[in-house]
Amino acid sequence: AQSVSQHNHHVILSEAASLELGCNYSYGGTVNLFWYVQYPGQHLQLLLKYFSGDPLVKGIKGFEAEFIKSKFSFNLRKPSVQWSDTAEYFCAVKYSGAGSYQLTFGKGTKLSVIP
Amino acid sequence: DSGVTQTPKHLITATGQRVTLRCSPRSGDLSVYWYQQSLDQGLQFLIQYYNGEERAKGNILERFSAQQFPDLHSELNLSSLELGDSALYFCASSVGRQETQYFGPGTRLLVL
Repeated sequence: AQSVSQHNHHVILSEAASLELGCNYSYGGTVNLFWYVQYPGQHLQLLLKYFSGDPLVKGIKGFEAEFIKSKFSFNLRKPSVQWSDTAEYFCAVKYSGAGSYQLTFGKGTKLSVIP
Repeated sequence: DSGVTQTPKHLITATGQRVTLRCSPRSGDLSVYWYQQSLDQGLQFLIQYYNGEERAKGNILERFSAQQFPDLHSELNLSSLELGDSALYFCASSVGRQETQYFGPGTRLLVL
């Protein structure tokens, strides 16, 4: 079965620290990759996405992610986190194929940023 | 605000009951997806509709059903509710079948 793994369940950082959240997916051919963020009490918001082209994609709020096809990875990064980045982050994969339009999500990583 | 609306925001009901959750997609979006978010299972895809027709099914129980109406809004019907059905139910929409999905605020269901 197709699956998405997020390595860290909970990450705690101080403000201005750099962030990297890992995401690996199981092989399934052509994929579209997404990172969503869920702020406390709010809905999922799209941070960034990768469909094709440059494997380094930039999203909103200073986030970026790098698609490494050989490693089946799509790690999320931010050079300097802020308290307002406290949220849960979800990696999601859409596998191309007949009927495969749904997103497969990782379990999520909770990020707590300490002022 | 993603443009996807869901009602109600919260729902408290008893075991054995039936509820209907409603979703209105973003203007122009033809695809609607339903997801369930629970602490133990995480975010799981339930079902997808495209322009009124069912297109894909995920981990949706037989007690659950959905439909998409001509005005493109969708309803998720949950029946014979069990305690384990307590979760956050999200609706998402996209323009076509393969574009980016935008999520609504969710309906929090509590089954007592």
